[in-house]
Amino acid sequence: KAGVTQTPRYLIKTRGQQVTLSCSPISGHRSVSWYQQTPGQGLQFLFEYFSETQRNKGNFPGRFSGRQFSNSRSEMNVSTLELGDSALYLCASSTGQKETQYFGPGTRLLVL
Amino acid sequence: DQQVKQNSPSLSVQEGRISILNCDYTNSMFDYFLWYKKYPAEGPTFLISISSIKDKNEDGRFTVFLNKSAKHLSLHIVPSQPGDSAVYFCAVPHGSGNTGKLIFGQGTTLQVKP
Repeated sequence: KAGVTQTPRYLIKTRGQQVTLSCSPISGHRSVSWYQQTPGQGLQFLFEYFSETQRNKGNFPGRFSGRQFSNSRSEMNVSTLELGDSALYLCASSTGQKETQYFGPGTRLLVL
Repeated sequence: DQQVKQNSPSLSVQEGRISILNCDYTNSMFDYFLWYKKYPAEGPTFLISISSIKDKNEDGRFTVFLNKSAKHLSLHIVPSQPGDSAVYFCAVPHGSGNTGKLIFGQGTTLQVKP
């Protein structure tokens, strides 16, 4: 099976812009979760989508949003970018039952 | 408040020796634990997991031990190899559906010297 894929891999934006990141889960996986990794805060959970519904949400401002499509692909949107949004954004997929999440390679976002 | 803690930011061991990475947690309701390995600029790779009904789980060179009374788990790598040099995270699924939200420790950077 193909693994989790994320596009784009690298992105440079300026403050105030918005960005959309995409994640394609492993075939058959219905759960997609998003995480932010920064040097200071480590790996932090953003949100999880399961069968097109947000099932879990982390402690991030409303500028961070997401959605999931009927084919389980997911997108994450960040509006009004801030310098502090520079990070590695990771998505992970699972079947949605209690088990392992498998991660994609991440999207490296740099906000200037 | 950190619910999952890895108190050692780094560990250095000699090739062929044992690497022991530790993780503590605060919530006694946690019942499933995972270890991930991560290289820079890549996504975490799943290594091994353990359910709270067990106290040990082995997979090749990797063994995870769980001490529920101490709320402590450890990952043993024997023998350690230079390719094991990476950041290791312990993680706990926590949230609705009990799987979609992983809480990660801060990570331990392992360096295995040839």
